[in-house]
Amino acid sequence: NAGVTQTPKFQVLKTGQSMTLQCAQDMNHNSMYWYRQDPGMGLRLIYYSASEGTTDKGEVPNGYNVSRLNKREFSLRLESAAPSQTSVYFCASSEFRTVANYGYTFGSGTRLTVV
Amino acid sequence: GIQVEQSPPDLILQEGANSTLRCNFSDSVNNLQWFHQNPWGQLINLFYIPSGTKQNGRLSATTVATERYSLLYISSSQTTDSGVYFCAVYRAAGNKLTFGGGTRVLVKP
Repeated sequence: NAGVTQTPKFQVLKTGQSMTLQCAQDMNHNSMYWYRQDPGMGLRLIYYSASEGTTDKGEVPNGYNVSRLNKREFSLRLESAAPSQTSVYFCASSEFRTVANYGYTFGSGTRLTVV
Repeated sequence: GIQVEQSPPDLILQEGANSTLRCNFSDSVNNLQWFHQNPWGQLINLFYIPSGTKQNGRLSATTVATERYSLLYISSSQTTDSGVYFCAVYRAAGNKLTFGGGTRVLVKP
């Protein structure tokens, strides 16, 4: 009953450091996504993976890379962190079965601060 | 890309009051979701509602796809309803969910 699991929950980085955010889902969904949420704003799409082996850029991909390791796992990497990347990061997964039943499931988020 | 606008941006309610939140979108969509983000930051799915009306306890939602808007009704509000409510729309072309800016709700006891 885990759904979408993100690690870590909190992280503080120094400018220029690198790190990888991990995401795993146990619902056998084909599609996975990474979003960021800045204070007082909605979520914006960074990258997504429609299916295993494919990745595509979203609205705000600069400064990030992703890897769809297998059907379950989708990681987000910051190669050289910048203060502008301070945000809360959400991973999500989805499966388009029918329009009526379609929906996204979100993880609980990773709060990242870059100092 | 598609634009999603929510109103009002902020809402303060007395416990027990009713309220309506609105979501307008600029193009046709394949599905629409309402989320509640609680004070701890968790995103909880409330409804997926591409058209018609659904109810779940004190919450209900109506989407009029032809007129490109959706409404979320909160009846007999409780302090636990506080948080941010997001509307998000999905289009198969592009395979992605686009969020509105949210409505921040505070329910006072």
